[in-house]
Amino acid sequence: GENVEQHPSTLSVQEGDSAVIKCTYSDSASNYFPWYKQELGKRPQLIIDIRSNVGEKKDQRIAVTLNKTAKHFSLHITETQPEDSAVYFCAASVAGGTSYGKLTFGQGTILTVHP
Amino acid sequence: DTAVSQTPKYLVTQMGNDKSIKCEQNLGHDTMYWYKQDSKKFLKIMFSYNNKELIINETVPNRFSPKSPDKAHLNLHINSLELGDSAVYFCASSQGSQGYGYTFGSGTRLTVV
Repeated sequence: GENVEQHPSTLSVQEGDSAVIKCTYSDSASNYFPWYKQELGKRPQLIIDIRSNVGEKKDQRIAVTLNKTAKHFSLHITETQPEDSAVYFCAASVAGGTSYGKLTFGQGTILTVHP
Repeated sequence: DTAVSQTPKYLVTQMGNDKSIKCEQNLGHDTMYWYKQDSKKFLKIMFSYNNKELIINETVPNRFSPKSPDKAHLNLHINSLELGDSAVYFCASSQGSQGYGYTFGSGTRLTVV
């Protein structure tokens, strides 16, 4: 089955700096890669996603890049703010296949943005 | 007008008891899921239902029994609770069975003592 590895497990940055979180996946059939943000005691919330027919996607300060050949994808947050502090999860799935929407998550990255 | 709602939010119970968690979504989604988040924050799928039919069962002990009375509801019943069942359980839903754009419920923190 799919295995998703996420690094780093913790990331500490100063406000205004950029933050990058990286994930690798094992199943070459995976074609959908969402990123979730989970604040303390809250639910995971989708912040951005990318499908395998696209190499990069951007939404304001957040961007995701995908390298299908190397089987890795990354989340980039620019101009970080204290409210960006949370746990970030990457995930992968074979959308449309027999996995029926199953997401395999990475282990999570605790991002702390210091004012 | 919460999109995916779970009850209860907290559940503290003794080993050996049986408990249920309820989930309802008002998004009109076809597919609903149960995920377990352990103490290390790792999220792992347990079950998935599409239009009331079980489509994913991820090697979960048979003490866990999901039920979907209709496509807007997915409940989770747990028999003979064990200490290791302590976790946060999240319900989620998505349109179709491709997994795009999950919406998670607020979670149920289960503590078995």
